[in-house]
Amino acid sequence: GQQVQQSPASLVLQEGENAELQCNFSSTATRLQWFYQHPGGRLVSLFYNPSGTKHTGRLTSTTVTNERRSSLHISSSQTTDSGTYFCAIDPNYAQGLTFGLGTRVSVFP
Amino acid sequence: EAAVTQSPRNKVAVTGGKVTLSCNQTNNHNNMYWYRQDTGHGLRLIHYSYGAGSTEKGDIPDGYKASRPSQENFSLILELATPSQTSVYFCASGDAGEEYFGPGTRLTVL
Repeated sequence: GQQVQQSPASLVLQEGENAELQCNFSSTATRLQWFYQHPGGRLVSLFYNPSGTKHTGRLTSTTVTNERRSSLHISSSQTTDSGTYFCAIDPNYAQGLTFGLGTRVSVFP
Repeated sequence: EAAVTQSPRNKVAVTGGKVTLSCNQTNNHNNMYWYRQDTGHGLRLIHYSYGAGSTEKGDIPDGYKASRPSQENFSLILELATPSQTSVYFCASGDAGEEYFGPGTRLTVL
């Protein structure tokens, strides 16, 4: 079945450092979405990005569709960036997302 | 942004009991989804729907039923709850693009 692999599994940063989170997937992704999950549990959509590059604030998502990979770049990390980041894909537009196991990010002052 | 709400937010049930989790969305999306999240597994798809009257099996449908009586509402039903169904359940909606998630329901089956 569909596989989504995220790396690293966890990351520790000092405030101000940059980070790059990776997502690799085993088949074509017609949909690809990045999420952030608060330690309390709510899922927040960061990017819907099945191809190309998108920016919002200090975050950048780049998806290279034919290489089956996506990345999430965090610049100038802040303590409020701490949490878990998930990549999720769907090969068929509307049959639900397959999630990776996430990257847990901890940012210390 | 799409508004997806879930009820209840927390639920404690007994083994063998019936549990119904409800989801409502107000943005007229055709597609709705139920996922569960467990430590070590990430989120996994249980059931989904393309519109009122439609339900489809996801990756882990065993022990769950779904009901989509209207465009806005999508329920997840556990006819005979088991402790292995203790989890956090998320509902989502979308239209062949971005999915919008509800706040989650924490279910404990004793």
